[in-house]
Amino acid sequence: EPEVTQTPSHQVTQMGQEVILRCVPISNHLYFYWYRQILGQKVEFLVSFYNNEISEKSEIFDDQFSVERPDGSNFTLKIRSTKLEDSAMYFCASRGSTNEKLFFGSGTQLSVL
Amino acid sequence: GESVGLHLPTLSVQEGDNSIINCAYSNSASDYFIWYKQESGKGPQFIIDIRSNMDKRQGQRVTVLLNKTVKHLSLQIAATQPGDSAVYFCAAADPYNFNKFYFGSGTKLNVKP
Repeated sequence: EPEVTQTPSHQVTQMGQEVILRCVPISNHLYFYWYRQILGQKVEFLVSFYNNEISEKSEIFDDQFSVERPDGSNFTLKIRSTKLEDSAMYFCASRGSTNEKLFFGSGTQLSVL
Repeated sequence: GESVGLHLPTLSVQEGDNSIINCAYSNSASDYFIWYKQESGKGPQFIIDIRSNMDKRQGQRVTVLLNKTVKHLSLQIAATQPGDSAVYFCAAADPYNFNKFYFGSGTKLNVKP
C-alpha cells in the first residue's frame, strides 16, 4: 500500500537553529498537510498546501514556519529559528482529493534543546 | 470550527472481547469522520471513515457508528487482539473548510492477554 514517508525520524537541534523536516507524500496525491502533536496532546493542524501554495494555515504557523514543494515529490516544513516549545512530533499527511481519506506519515520527533 | 472529544482516556479489555471507543463532536454540520490508530512512536494509521449520510460502516473487525442526533460516534473492535493495543482517536473534517481536520485527544486501548 502506498505510504507517506518522512525523514528524519528524529531531529535534535539547539534553540535558534533552523530545521527542515522532509516528507514524500503519496505520489498521486494533490493535497498536502503538516500537523504536529505535542507529547500527550491532540494532533494539531499547522498548514495545508495545494497547487504549489498554502491554502490554509493555523495560528501556530507563524512567520518562523514555511513550507515548500521543491520538486514533484518532496514536501518540506522549515522552522527558521526553533524555540523550545516547537518540540513535538511533526506529521506530514496527504490526500488525493478533498473527498478522500487523509494519510499520515510516521512522523519526525523534533527535540529543541 | 469544531471540537472533538473522547470519553475515556484509557480502556482496558480482555483479549477476545469486543471494544467500544467513543467520540463526541460539537458541530452538527460536520459530515466526514475518520478513526485513526496510533501506536507508540508512529503516525496515525487510518482505520475507517464514515460520512454523515450513513449511520454505520463496517470494515474488517471494526464498525463505526454515527449518531448525528447526539453528535456522537463510536468505534467497535470485534474480538480484540493484543495487536490492537494503541491510542485510538477520531477526527472530524471541518464542514466549512475541507483542509482542516479536528482531532480528539485519544483513548489508549490496553488489551490484556
